Formats: sequence, structure tokens, C-alpha cells
Amino acid sequence: QKEVEQNSGPLSVPEGAIASLNCTYSDRVSQSFFWYRQYSGKSPELIMSIYSNGDKEDGRFTAQLNKASQYVSLLIRDSQPSDSATYLCAVNGAKGSGNTGKLIFGQGTTLQVKP
Amino acid sequence: EAQVTQNPRYLITVTGKKLTVTCSQNMNHEYMSWYRQDPGLGLRQIYYSMNVEVTDKGDVPEGYKVSRKEKRNFPLILESPSPNQTSLYFCASSRTDREDGYTFGSGTRLTVV
Repeated sequence: QKEVEQNSGPLSVPEGAIASLNCTYSDRVSQSFFWYRQYSGKSPELIMSIYSNGDKEDGRFTAQLNKASQYVSLLIRDSQPSDSATYLCAVNGAKGSGNTGKLIFGQGTTLQVKP
Repeated sequence: EAQVTQNPRYLITVTGKKLTVTCSQNMNHEYMSWYRQDPGLGLRQIYYSMNVEVTDKGDVPEGYKVSRKEKRNFPLILESPSPNQTSLYFCASSRTDREDGYTFGSGTRLTVV
């Protein structure tokens, strides 16, 4: 089982719609969760972080965390063509597990927002 | 400007010729890390460092060396590069290991022939 799993997509949504990106992780004691956006040929860019169960909103982005289900999601409201990119979920190793500093990435979901 | 700087951006080399990819950050970050990104395999961590002189292996450390003699620098060394190390490499840094994600450099595309 992969440590961090994402559907590779592509996920295609029309402009103005809500895009929903999902991620599951295997290490039950993981503590920090991140969403990155990566445009083709560019480096990953941090867009959201979340540490507690529930929702965290930042502009058009909402991150959702459910530790019991080991599930993280990212919602993008009012999707724009400029949101078309690969979205990477990343999970930090648990403190005391020997994984401090070890940020593990999923393979990413490609999002296409069609005008 | 706060940034992580990698050099070179592109590098073509021959099998067995030692090379170093440099990485420097100007944010006084404690944590630094190297990743490689390959199609179908995603981003995989090679090595990371929690502070000066403190480093640890990531998921794919074989064939790589790192050092952290100064807080700002974290070079990646390939003692004897092989074609399977052809990849896109990213250096990254972070203030903490919990609350902050990594900030990535622009990447180094390495080709080993």
C-alpha cells in the first residue's frame, strides 16, 4: 500500500465549478498535511496546510481533514482555467516515529478547468 | 527575496563523472531536503537535514550523498552518476517539520548518458 494515494486523473471540470481533490494516507499517526500545486515544468508551490480535523478555508480553497478515515481533501471553488495544474498531497511523518522532516508526497492529481 | 536557489538548472553528464548540485536558502530555515521527480513515480525524498551536521535518508538515498556544514547550504553529490539517476531534482527548505511545508527551488534537470 502506498503511503499517500491520490487519483492521478485527469479531473476535468467546467470553469466556475467546484473541483474536489482527494487523498488518503496510510500512517495513522501523521500530523501535518499539505496541498501543493505544480504547473507543468515548474516547482511545487504550497497552497494549503492543515493539522486538525475539520475544514480550513483560504480564499477559494478549502482543505478538509478526517484523521479517523485517514483522508484529506482540497476543494477549489469557482474554478478558473489558471487552476489547471497537478495538485500534490503531502503528509508529514509523525513526531517520534523517526520521520521528522520526512514529507511524503502522493503522485498528484491533474486538474483541467475548461473555459 | 526569500528563496531556495539551485544550480545548475540543466546538466548533462556522462556515467561515472562526479557531480554536485548546489542548494542555498536565505530564510534561515532549519530543515532542508532533496527530492527527485520522475514520471509515474512522483516526488520521492532522497535525503533531508534537520540542522547543521544532522542528515537522514529519505526513500531513495542510494547513489547520493549530502552534507550540511552550514545552515544555508545543502549540496547533493552524485559520486558516480548512472543513467537511472536521470531525473528532475528539487531542493527544498522549511522553518519547522510540523507547521510549515517545504519551499521548493526551481529544480535541476539532470541527464546522465
